[in-house]
Amino acid sequence: DTGVSQDPRHKITKRGQNVTFRCDPISEHNRLYWYRQTLGQGPEFLTYFQNEAQLEKSRLLSDRFSAERPKGSFSTLEIQRTEQGDSAMYLCASGEGNRGGLEGYTFGSGTRLTVV
Amino acid sequence: AQSVTQPDIHITVSEGASLELRCNYSYGATPYLFWYVQSPGQGLQLLLKYFSGDTLVQGIKGFEAEFKRSQSSFNLRKPSVHWSDAAEYFCAVGATTSGSRLTFGEGTQLTVNP
Repeated sequence: DTGVSQDPRHKITKRGQNVTFRCDPISEHNRLYWYRQTLGQGPEFLTYFQNEAQLEKSRLLSDRFSAERPKGSFSTLEIQRTEQGDSAMYLCASGEGNRGGLEGYTFGSGTRLTVV
Repeated sequence: AQSVTQPDIHITVSEGASLELRCNYSYGATPYLFWYVQSPGQGLQLLLKYFSGDTLVQGIKGFEAEFKRSQSSFNLRKPSVHWSDAAEYFCAVGATTSGSRLTFGEGTQLTVNP
């Protein structure tokens, strides 16, 4: 296992279109996190899963955003009716182990979304 | 609620000079602290982390950081900077009481002059 994989690496979409991103965590990790990073800012937490259960959602996650993690393996993040303000890097991380998974926290390379 | 402040938005150093990037955190209990580096268009690479024990933590690429509870700080240092260290650096705090999510600072952009 080579780490956390995210697909696609880059996505350009027209405003109003729907997009879906995929994250494949490290196989033995039961926690999975999504973050959003806008230009010049640090990543901000969006949501997290423990196995297939979505346990927390940030207020940043509007009703146009939905995340799933069927069967507790890979996760998808969908944005409906994209807006220019959604342009950002979407980062996925997974964790396992002691200290609530923080010891094994690993980020993927991210998906860069550009809404035109 | 946990928070992180990185007071320096941009730092410029000469190659070979020493470096210190500042990080202050706010958290009620013992924090778990991290430093990440990010090159343009790339994901986050972990430099080092502090959970407990020795307050001076060694990381990759010659970086180290010191946890000072009395000052609520976790500053990153490197004795001699290389041109390849030019990147953005993020400090983050995590806590198991918040689902183990990380709270990041706004980052410090490092420029290295030849």
